Parts: sequence; C-alpha cells; structure tokens
Amino acid sequence: AQKVTQAQTEISVVEKEDVTLDCVYETRDTTYYLFWYKQPPSGELVFLIRRNSFDEQNEISGRYSWNFQKSTSSFNFTITASQVVDSAVYFCALPRNTDKLIFGTGTRLQVFP
Amino acid sequence: DGGITQSPKYLFRKEGQNVTLSCEQNLNHDAMYWYRQDPGQGLRLIYYSQIVNDFQKGDIAEGYSVSREKKESFPLTVTSAQKNPTAFYLCASSSTLAGNSYNEQFFGPGTRLTVL
Repeated sequence: AQKVTQAQTEISVVEKEDVTLDCVYETRDTTYYLFWYKQPPSGELVFLIRRNSFDEQNEISGRYSWNFQKSTSSFNFTITASQVVDSAVYFCALPRNTDKLIFGTGTRLQVFP
Repeated sequence: DGGITQSPKYLFRKEGQNVTLSCEQNLNHDAMYWYRQDPGQGLRLIYYSQIVNDFQKGDIAEGYSVSREKKESFPLTVTSAQKNPTAFYLCASSSTLAGNSYNEQFFGPGTRLTVL
C-alpha cells in the first residue's frame, strides 16, 4: 500500500538556521513520483517540487534543496538560512493509482526572528 | 491570471442543512479534486473527476456529493448525512497532458466550513 510518513510534527528554528524536513514513503510501484507542497497560514497549498523515481540527483532551488534516496525510501527537504516567511506546514505526497495523491500528515515549521 | 477560485472562504451552516462549496478553475485542466483537511492532519481525498460528466469517490466520500457538468467547475455538496462536516475544504486541479497523470496539482485557497 502507498504510504507517506512525516514523523516530525513540528519544528522550531531561529532565522538563518538550516532545517531539514523528513519524508519516508512506501510504494510497490517501480516508477513513481514524489511531491512537496507548502501550506502557509493563508491555507492554500503551494506546489514546490515533483521528483521522478528515476532521478536520484539532489535538486536545488535557491535556499531549497531536496535529497532523494531510494535505498532508504526517503525524500527529505532542506531549507538553508531559514526565514520567517518559510513558516508554514509542509507536506510530502505520493500518487496512488496514477491520479490520487496520498499526503503525509505534514510538518509545521516555525521560524522565529 | 489563471488559477483556482473557491467560494466562500468561510461558511457557517446549521446542523441538518446541505451546503454547496464552489470550485472554479481557468487553467483548462481536465482533472479536479476535493480534499478535506482536519486540524493537524494531512489532506484526505473526497471525490475526484478526470473528465466532464464523470467522477469517482475518494477515500472519504460518504456524506458528500459532486457534479462535473463543465470542465471548469466542480462543486461539492456537503449533505446532512456527513457526521462531522466542520473542516477545511480544498479544491485542486491538474493537467493530464500526454497521458501523464502525475502532474502536480494546483490548489485553491480553500473554504473553511463550520457547522453550528
């Protein structure tokens, strides 16, 4: 069965600290995608990244980076030099049956000035 | 600007009443979805539709109904049969270009429903 686990319920950091959000997944598919979304206090989910299981290279986008490791079924998300605007709930997600996303329970990140 | 709109942002209803949540998209996406989010939890799929005039139940469809008469619209009705309807409801859409069903979903701003 498809499953996404985000064991960190809440993380608090001080601005400029680096922070890593963990995502562990289970899937029987040989080919799959993984997603990260951000949900700021306004409530709307914002798409951050989609990663194909064939591509295990790390992805970097500005202060954001993602580490995908099939060997440990993990797709972790790191924010470098965190800012107050990064405060949000972050969700990892995995598709099921091609078109339904299974979401983790989310990690609430609080960045204090 | 292309995007997804949901209305209203906040909705209050009395117990026993049906209520309809609106979701409109101008992204020309084929697929649309409704999710429910409870405090401290992830999103759970209520219904989804991959094409006009067709939709499927998600994981928690009981007490909800939908219609997909137009490509850009996917309204959700929360019926009186839904035992615990107070929640945050999110609508999403995605493209299925070239048969790729793993495209990212784009979300609306959500509707917060409170049953009094």
